[in-house]
Amino acid sequence: AQSVSQHNHHVILSEAASLELGCNYSYGGTVNLFWYVQYPGQHLQLLLKYFSGDPLVKGIKGFEAEFIKSKFSFNLRKPSVQWSDTAEYFCAVNARGGATNKLIFGTGTLLAVQP
Amino acid sequence: NAGVTQTPKFQVLKTGQSMTLQCAQDMNHEYMSWYRQDPGMGLRLIHYSVGAGITDQGEVPNGYNVSRSTTEDFPLRLLSAAPSQTSVYFCASRGLTYGYTFGSGTRLTVV
Repeated sequence: AQSVSQHNHHVILSEAASLELGCNYSYGGTVNLFWYVQYPGQHLQLLLKYFSGDPLVKGIKGFEAEFIKSKFSFNLRKPSVQWSDTAEYFCAVNARGGATNKLIFGTGTLLAVQP
Repeated sequence: NAGVTQTPKFQVLKTGQSMTLQCAQDMNHEYMSWYRQDPGMGLRLIHYSVGAGITDQGEVPNGYNVSRSTTEDFPLRLLSAAPSQTSVYFCASRGLTYGYTFGSGTRLTVV
């Protein structure tokens, strides 16, 4: 069964600092990978997704993520964070093919950006 | 607007009461699922369905029932609510392109 680990549970940054949130998954087969963001009091929104092709994926609001297959990682990055990026970020993996189609989430990383 | 609609947005139940959380989507998605979100635990899959008439258990199915009689609807039933079921519940659906769409959530408190 697939699983997802997010090692940073709580990150505090100042505005304009660079961001990297770690995500590792455990699954031996082919996967689809996602990053979701949840702003305070809101539901999840898709930041970006990787299905195949270029392992560097660009998403909304200046976020990007790099899929490194050999490391089973899909880290999220942003060169310069803003106060409005304060939110909780979730990495998720979906095993491609098969009968289950389950989307499994990591435990989330709470990002606080100080002005 | 197309999307996933969840009702109610808020609910308070007494221990032992039953209720149904509603989820409907109008995108003709075959796959639908229910998650619960708890602090520090991320989103955990409760039940999911790959099409009308087909459901299966996720990571934390105990205490919850589902059915899928139509493509559009995927209700989640709590037969006898317990305080441990206090959580925020999200419904999600997915189309062929593996893009998941989430509802706005139901905040449930069991006292």
